[in-house]
Amino acid sequence: EIVMTQSPATLSVSPGERATLSCRASQSVSSNLAWYQQKSGQAPRLLIYGASARATGIAARFSGGGFGTEFTLTISSLQSEDFAVYYCQQYERWPLTFGGGTKVEIK
Amino acid sequence: QVQLVESGGGVVQPGGSLRLPCETSGFTFSSYGMHWVRQAPGKGLEWVAFIHYDGSSKYYADSVKGRFTISRDNSKNTLYVQINSLRAEDTAVYYCAKEGSGRSFDQWGQGTLVTVSS
Repeated sequence: EIVMTQSPATLSVSPGERATLSCRASQSVSSNLAWYQQKSGQAPRLLIYGASARATGIAARFSGGGFGTEFTLTISSLQSEDFAVYYCQQYERWPLTFGGGTKVEIK
Repeated sequence: QVQLVESGGGVVQPGGSLRLPCETSGFTFSSYGMHWVRQAPGKGLEWVAFIHYDGSSKYYADSVKGRFTISRDNSKNTLYVQINSLRAEDTAVYYCAKEGSGRSFDQWGQGTLVTVSS
């Protein structure tokens, strides 16, 4: 099983600042990586797939990067609606696995 | 617009069974692979099961293999998961999700809560 490790567990950021979230895979997943945003009490929402492609309707301030085992999600200027938990997910091989999540909170 | 609506959750005793349907609309259901993903209270996301668009192949997480069965009825645009031999650790919100690019999940239902308790 490919283990996905996200860091940090919690990120405290002020509105308007840049946030960078990390995701590491225990073995290469090529670019088969997605990022999701989940707000309290809601279902997750797809942000990024293929490591760097924005999903339909996702704001340009969200960007993904990386390949192989190291990935990042960057939010260029945090808006109030961006405070949430973010998960990475690999789909290189079965079983599909998620990282433990990064909570982005208001500083 | 795309809609996925799970139902069938509730409180079940350990060892019990449950079938969760996910009714879909707004897309050609028979053309897409579908997944179940769960989330225990206060915890992260856990992928549970996948079924190919035509039901020809299925994959399961090790934690549910042999107890969960994913299925679909393309004539009813509905996905199912049959959950047997329920354990306390199966307590979670169960989401159905539509497959997007690769094996990402581009549409999610609102989830249905399954609580395993005596």
